[in-house]
Amino acid sequence: EVQLVQSGAEVKKPGESLKISCKGSGYSFASYWIGWGRRVPGKGLEWMGVIYPGDSDTRYNPSFQGQVTISADKSISTAYLQWSSLKAADSATYYCARQRAYSSSFPDYWGQGTLVTVSS
Amino acid sequence: EIVLTQSPGTLSLSPGERATLSCRASQSISGNYLAWYQQKPGQAPRLLIYGASSRATAIPDRFSASGSGTDFTLTISRLEPEDFAVYYCQQYGSSPRTFGQGTKVEIK
Repeated sequence: EVQLVQSGAEVKKPGESLKISCKGSGYSFASYWIGWGRRVPGKGLEWMGVIYPGDSDTRYNPSFQGQVTISADKSISTAYLQWSSLKAADSATYYCARQRAYSSSFPDYWGQGTLVTVSS
Repeated sequence: EIVLTQSPGTLSLSPGERATLSCRASQSISGNYLAWYQQKPGQAPRLLIYGASSRATAIPDRFSASGSGTDFTLTISRLEPEDFAVYYCQQYGSSPRTFGQGTKVEIK
């Protein structure tokens, strides 16, 4: 069974750093892209970027380039989303999802989401 | 980027009724690369439809979808209790991938 299990909810202060994770199982983790999306209440999900764990090829939505870092460790089947300095506007639920290819490919399995709250 | 607008925002229906959800794109979606997802509170999104009309694995045939270009529809022929959820459309034909804001199907 394909599963993507995300790390738990986080509460942080502005300016702090954070790294959340997404662990895949039940499939060849290195052979599928992992994407990250952000959902703010009342808005549609925003696609932030994707990574191919096999060679760490990473592509960002220009809106998120420089704001976050996406990485992966194929040896432990885990992808990461990290911030070096959080802002209140980063408060959202973050989802990871796998897709078969970079282009013309849809996410077929998703993680359960990680709620990030940034507040002083 | 392609903006997806879903309507209605909320659909109040009874079990057994038919649900029709709309997703309209601000420009034509390449290859009709449109997917539909179902999400229940606290759960991961579940893929229902890809390629505008193809059901994903293990999705019941009461779920069907159609459309092309800029106008797409998801239909649930007879609502079961487990179908009350939020439904999202997503286009994956151009970058960045974009999602609609969702339609909530609630019990009337």
